[in-house]
Amino acid sequence: DVVMTQSPLSLPVTLGQPASISCRSSQSLVYSDGNTYLSWFQQRPGQSPRRLIYKVSNWDSGVPDRFSGSGSGTDFTLKISRVEAEDVAVYYCMQGAQWPYTFGQGTKLEIK
Amino acid sequence: EVKLVESGGGLVQPGGSLRLSCSASGFTFSSYNMNWVRQPPGKGLEWVSYISTTTSDTKYVDSVKGRFTISRDNAKNSLYLQMSSLRDEDTAVYYCARDWGDNGAYTPFDHWGQGTLVTVSS
Repeated sequence: DVVMTQSPLSLPVTLGQPASISCRSSQSLVYSDGNTYLSWFQQRPGQSPRRLIYKVSNWDSGVPDRFSGSGSGTDFTLKISRVEAEDVAVYYCMQGAQWPYTFGQGTKLEIK
Repeated sequence: EVKLVESGGGLVQPGGSLRLSCSASGFTFSSYNMNWVRQPPGKGLEWVSYISTTTSDTKYVDSVKGRFTISRDNAKNSLYLQMSSLRDEDTAVYYCARDWGDNGAYTPFDHWGQGTLVTVSS
């Protein structure tokens, strides 16, 4: 199975400051069709997960452009340019390149 | 509007069985492969099972193989998860989510339901 490793697991951030979450996979997430199937999810307290980013860097509808995804191969990053109060959540990366689909452990973003 | 509504959760004793349902609306259910994902209380997300549009292909995480069965009824726009020989470690909120559809867009996990809580305890 592909192991997804996120860091940090806890991320205290001051409002208005940037934040960055790393996600590393144990194998390349480049599929045979040439696409890289890495997604990012946000789960606010008490809510269901919400997909933010798919195929490394594509925004889902309604996602603020302060969120951005980057990376390639086995090394990926989710960045928030300026953290807002509504960004308090747990963030997960997930690979969809190989069965079984696997998620990272989650990174809890809190306001400092 | 895409909507997924899970139901069927509850308290069950170890070794017992439970059937979860997911009712889909707002999209052509029969055109989408589907998944179940679970989240133990206070913990992270774990993919559980997948089913193709025609039910010809199903997949399971190793920890539930032989105990859980995924199925669907396209006429009823519904997805199911039959869970048997339940263990304490199956306690979780269970979510249904779309996978790839036939329109070429990348839809895996683009919409989630509110989840249904399964508690396995004596």
